[in-house]
Amino acid sequence: TQLLEQSPQFLSIQEGENLTVYCNSSSVFSSLQWYRQEPGEGPVLLVTVVTGGEVKKLKRLTFQFGDARKDSSLHITAAQPGDTGLYLCAGEEDNAGKSTFGDGTTLTVKP
Amino acid sequence: GAVVSQHPSWVICKSGTSVKIECRSLDFQATTMFWYRQFPKQSLMLMATSNEGSKATYEQGVEKDKFLINHASLTLSTLTVTSAHPEDSSFYICSATLSQGAGGYTFGSGTRLTVV
Repeated sequence: TQLLEQSPQFLSIQEGENLTVYCNSSSVFSSLQWYRQEPGEGPVLLVTVVTGGEVKKLKRLTFQFGDARKDSSLHITAAQPGDTGLYLCAGEEDNAGKSTFGDGTTLTVKP
Repeated sequence: GAVVSQHPSWVICKSGTSVKIECRSLDFQATTMFWYRQFPKQSLMLMATSNEGSKATYEQGVEKDKFLINHASLTLSTLTVTSAHPEDSSFYICSATLSQGAGGYTFGSGTRLTVV
């Protein structure tokens, strides 16, 4: 079973600070997704990366997929209280048809 | 975009009773849906893969006789928690995808089950 390790597990920062969340595995993924989840709701897809070395930007969020497609990072610039939530990475192995989720990173941005 | 509707959003039931949770893809057909369980402040744990017209594929450690999954149509999958006990209390979430791989998954809003 593939494992996805996310770090840090918890992160509490002040508004305006930058942060990076990491997602690492020993497995190679055909695609990797990042989700954000708020309490009592389902995860919402932020981005999908499929190519090694790929970088995608979504406003203040920058996602990078490792060259070997085993790891990924999420960088948030100038965090805002609205960014607070549980961030989850999920990887899909080739032809597996299902995703394995990382442990999650709980982000709290204080005003 | 793809929308997945999950119902009910929360349910409280007595120990020993059964509860059915529905997961519908509203604007697309989903041959495959997934059921997850999530404990507070933890990540999602895949319980089973629901395949339209065939038996669900359960993950190791998940009791198929306790968590009955039915995927009778391309837009509906149901999860029935049979003879529920307090330890079954959790947040249950379903997901579906338009196409496997590279597209990500759309999740339902989840069902909070509390067994008393």
